[in-house]
Amino acid sequence: SQQGEEDPQALSIQEGENATMNCSYKTSINNLQWYRQNSGRGLVHLILIRSNEREKHSGRLRVTLDTSKKSSSLLITASRAADTASYFCATVPQAGTALIFGKGTTLSVSS
Amino acid sequence: NAGVTQTPKFQVLKTGQSMTLQCAQDMNHEYMSWYRQDPGMGLRLIHYSVGAGITDQGEVPNGYNVSRSTTEDFPLRLLSAAPSQTSVYFCASTTSGNFYEQYFGPGTRLTVT
Repeated sequence: SQQGEEDPQALSIQEGENATMNCSYKTSINNLQWYRQNSGRGLVHLILIRSNEREKHSGRLRVTLDTSKKSSSLLITASRAADTASYFCATVPQAGTALIFGKGTTLSVSS
Repeated sequence: NAGVTQTPKFQVLKTGQSMTLQCAQDMNHEYMSWYRQDPGMGLRLIHYSVGAGITDQGEVPNGYNVSRSTTEDFPLRLLSAAPSQTSVYFCASTTSGNFYEQYFGPGTRLTVT
């Protein structure tokens, strides 16, 4: 079964607002990653957070990881219409090397 | 670098036909994977490989076969296509050196009628 579950499934906001997506997972992990997928396209890696890290920033992205709760959140600040996409969290189990994906959050940013 | 390439981009098969989806990477990554993406299901792992000659099953391996004879190539074979295999297929590669950040190909959209 899939490792990660994103919440919410869909999110609609206005340009300039912040968008927060959450991810929960089931087993111990080596790291957790977030990916973006624009409609009809492949996945693009956004950010990776290792199991011994609690917070990471990259541009307008902020990721947190709480291994005790087996959860992560992705915050996109000052959203733009170009951020409209599906966002997936994916985990690397400690014992494996292949990513296990959640079902994704669909973000719509309107101008 | 071309990164991860996949061919074909689109394919229509009849039930029972077989075909091979091609995947190649030029980054010398040791790990390669195949995923399928269905609406509302995210990506599910089909098969993966940790190096030439070594493959293993993922979450949904039935009906698919893989081999890894070289570091660069990781073809996915559909043995006898079924409508349930209608999906978008993504190949990805990674290396332990970057904590398994995956590089994805553009995908193959397969329809089985």
